[in-house]
Amino acid sequence: ETGVTQSPTHLIKTRGQQVTLRCSSQSGHNTVSWYQQALGQGPQFIFQYYREEENGRGNFPPRFSGLQFPNYSSELNVNALELDDSALYLCASSLVGVNTEAFFGQGTRLTVV
Amino acid sequence: QQQVKQSPQSLIVQKGGISIINCAYENTAFDYFPWYQQFPGKGPALLIAIRPDVSEKKEGRFTISFNKSAKQFSLHIMDSQPGDSATYFCAAILSSGSARQLTFGSGTQLTVLP
Repeated sequence: ETGVTQSPTHLIKTRGQQVTLRCSSQSGHNTVSWYQQALGQGPQFIFQYYREEENGRGNFPPRFSGLQFPNYSSELNVNALELDDSALYLCASSLVGVNTEAFFGQGTRLTVV
Repeated sequence: QQQVKQSPQSLIVQKGGISIINCAYENTAFDYFPWYQQFPGKGPALLIAIRPDVSEKKEGRFTISFNKSAKQFSLHIMDSQPGDSATYFCAAILSSGSARQLTFGSGTQLTVLP
C-alpha cells in the first residue's frame, strides 16, 4: 500500500452534475497531482498542487479544478459533467525534488450517465 | 510534443520467460523515467525508475535499460511469473521548479501463461 487514499472508490453521476473527489496524501509528501485514466489508456495529467497552489496543468478545461489543504490533502472538482468524463481518477503524492517518485492511490471510478 | 510511445500493446509470455517492453520519447528535457505496474481496479504502483545519466538499473527480476542517444528505454522482466500478469506503463517526468508532470505511455498488457 502507498499510503495515498482516495474517496469514494466508485461514483455514478448524471451528465451536467458536479462532482468532488478526495485524496489524502502519503505522510511527508507535500505535492499532489491528479490524473484521468480512460479505459484501456495511460493516465493523463490534469494538474498538480504544491503549497496549496496549482503549479502545473495538463490539457483539461477550466471545469476541472482543485484544492490542496494545509494538511496536504486534496480535492478534484469537475463541473458540468460530460459522458466523456467517465474514467478512473487517480491521485498521486510526492515530495518536491528531482528524482522523487510519485505514489498513486487506488483511484475513484467515475461513471457519468 | 511531450509524448511517450510504448510497445507492444499486449504481450504473452510463458512462465519463466523474459518479458520485454519498449518505450521511446521525444522531449530531451525529461529528467526521470519510472515504470508502473497496474492491476485491474487498482492504481499504478511504482516498479523501478532510472535517471537519464544511467544506462541500466536492476532490481530483483526487473531491469531498465536506457539509451539516451536513441531516446529509448525498456523494461525487462526476467523469469516471468503468472503473478506478473498486469498492465505496465512507462512514464517520463518533466520537472520545472516545484512542478513535476508524468507523461505515460499507452500501456502494455502482459499475460504470463502458467
